[in-house]
Amino acid sequence: DTGVSQDPRHKITKRGQNVTFRCDPISEHNRLYWYRQTLGQGPEFLTYFQNEAQLEKSRLLSDRFSAERPKGSFSTLEIQRTEQGDSAMYLCASSLGTSNQPQHFGDGTRLSIL
Amino acid sequence: AQSVAQPEDQVNVAEGNPLTVKCTYSVSGNPYLFWYVQYPNRGLQFLLKYITGDNLVKGSYGFEAEFNKSQTSFHLKKPSALVSDSALYFCAVRASLIGSARQLTFGSGTQLTVLP
Repeated sequence: DTGVSQDPRHKITKRGQNVTFRCDPISEHNRLYWYRQTLGQGPEFLTYFQNEAQLEKSRLLSDRFSAERPKGSFSTLEIQRTEQGDSAMYLCASSLGTSNQPQHFGDGTRLSIL
Repeated sequence: AQSVAQPEDQVNVAEGNPLTVKCTYSVSGNPYLFWYVQYPNRGLQFLLKYITGDNLVKGSYGFEAEFNKSQTSFHLKKPSALVSDSALYFCAVRASLIGSARQLTFGSGTQLTVLP
């Protein structure tokens, strides 16, 4: 399967702990996106990379959130000092480098904060 | 700012009947429009897109969508619904202007149920 891969699929943690998610995009895609989806809502944009450069960040991305794409391939999203409100599905998507190309999504990481 | 409205949270249709899932959008300049489908505990799966040209766009699994610039709409349609089409459908938009935000803005989704 050469689609977008996310790990882990599920993460349960206690409030206040740090968590890190990984995304492996489709290999030839140079754009990578992170979204957050809560129950009953559409995905909300968090941040975007073109190759290794983080070009856009949403105001939803508080200072507890950080994302990296060190070699322009896989990406990590870290949440520090997790809060109840962080419980959501975190989706990664990738696309080719032209704006009219569709984004292809992974199956997400579901985060539950106890 | 760009936005998408999906006015129906739920659409029910009988198998074999035509289906329509509604979407209206707001964006500066010309839009790029997309439809995605989501099955339980899965990511979003791309169905079709409108970039430019013919207002009727054909996509995967027999779905099509009609772009209407004057009504700022991009409704998803299928001539004959299948039970397996039951899923959550999302409309998304981004502006085509150079320098505009590259992320997609999604609607809140429409749950489609096809009844056997």
